[in-house]
Amino acid sequence: EAQVTQNPRYLITVTGKKLTVTCSQNMNHEYMSWYRQDPGLGLRQIYYSMNVEVTDKGDVPEGYKVSRKEKRNFPLILESPSPNQTSLYFCASRTGQGYGAFFGQGTRLTVV
Amino acid sequence: DAKTTQPPSMDCAEGRAANLPCNHSTISGNEYVYWYRQIHSQGPQYIIHGLKNNETNEMASLIITEDRKSSTLILPHATLRDTAVYYCIVRGYSNSGYALNFGKGTSLLVTP
Repeated sequence: EAQVTQNPRYLITVTGKKLTVTCSQNMNHEYMSWYRQDPGLGLRQIYYSMNVEVTDKGDVPEGYKVSRKEKRNFPLILESPSPNQTSLYFCASRTGQGYGAFFGQGTRLTVV
Repeated sequence: DAKTTQPPSMDCAEGRAANLPCNHSTISGNEYVYWYRQIHSQGPQYIIHGLKNNETNEMASLIITEDRKSSTLILPHATLRDTAVYYCIVRGYSNSGYALNFGKGTSLLVTP
């Protein structure tokens, strides 16, 4: 089954403790990206990747890092999480321009 | 990317067709119209997209006006499981980057 898998689905952590949210897709898609969703602000793109070793900032990249060492994986790294990064996070992938994107089920992160 | 305008909410009776409108009067010639939906904090789900011609798949139909300034997503026989927020997104094929600008969407309530 074609899917984008995120882990963990839920995470509560403390300020400053480094964490990684993993994202994996099994569709051999070139494009992957991370979004965060906050009430009243909608979905905003954090980072995206157009292929292996090619990443770029989205609209809200501050406080986040990503890497794309393999085509299927695109982890989101929070080196020093802060409470304003409490949010619902989604990973997405698609095969190229002009195609629909597949989204993961989301990771609900709470930073206290 | 062109801006889109959608009604904030709509109701539809179960079994009837749901027609969701979207205005995109500033759309340019190479921009596609995409529709996604999000069911209560789940990952957004791709529904359909089109450029000029009407499109149909197993989920829905997309009707684009001849001048391309508006479109309608049609769910032919709405069910309770179609209750969701529906997003109309206009995006160019040649755009660099990857962000999908979801906006506020239309909250569709399907009632028994």
